[in-house]
Amino acid sequence: GQQVMQIPQYQHVQEGEDFTTYCNSSTTLSNIQWYKQRPGGHPVFLIQLVKSGEVKKQKRLTFQFGEAKKNSSLHITATQTTDVGTYFCAGRPQTSGGYNKLIFGAGTRLAVHP
Amino acid sequence: DAGVTQSPTHLIKTRGQHVTLRCSPISGHKSVSWYQQVLGQGPQFIFQYYEKEERGRGNFPDRFSARQFPNYSSELNVNALLLGDSALYLCASSTTGQSVETQYFGPGTRLLVL
Repeated sequence: GQQVMQIPQYQHVQEGEDFTTYCNSSTTLSNIQWYKQRPGGHPVFLIQLVKSGEVKKQKRLTFQFGEAKKNSSLHITATQTTDVGTYFCAGRPQTSGGYNKLIFGAGTRLAVHP
Repeated sequence: DAGVTQSPTHLIKTRGQHVTLRCSPISGHKSVSWYQQVLGQGPQFIFQYYEKEERGRGNFPDRFSARQFPNYSSELNVNALLLGDSALYLCASSTTGQSVETQYFGPGTRLLVL
């Protein structure tokens, strides 16, 4: 079946270090979304990427969508303790029939040590 | 504006029982999707509804059913509960449920099956 793999599973960084999480889909995606979930919370939408090779920035966060629309990455520059949480990518397969089915990766849990 | 709301916030059931979870979408949103998030994993797509009709279904058994009401709120029903049904159940709403739209998640219902 359709899968979205996400690595690493966990990442521990010192405050100020950079962080990157990667997603790879088994099928071509029409678009990909990124979410952040704090412990005990629910996924909060960060961004959506639609175009092949697209790069978007939000302050210290940089999101990329691969040329083949099968992979994506999230890079955080100079992490802060407020960045703690689990980051999920969620892809929407091109074959999803147009409806809003998201396939989530397993997430990368980020811990930031002050 | 109010976001997606879900009730109850927490629920404890025993095996074999039935449960009904409720979701109210963001005002103006006509599509609701349901996801199951088991601890330590990403959300898994269960259903999508738009204008009271099911538009998509994930790989869940027939014990899982849902419906959408004229006011666009939705219910998720799970029969014959199993221990493995313990999870965070998330509802997400979007305007029309088309694949290019952003979904906004509610806080979820935490279900524990004993």
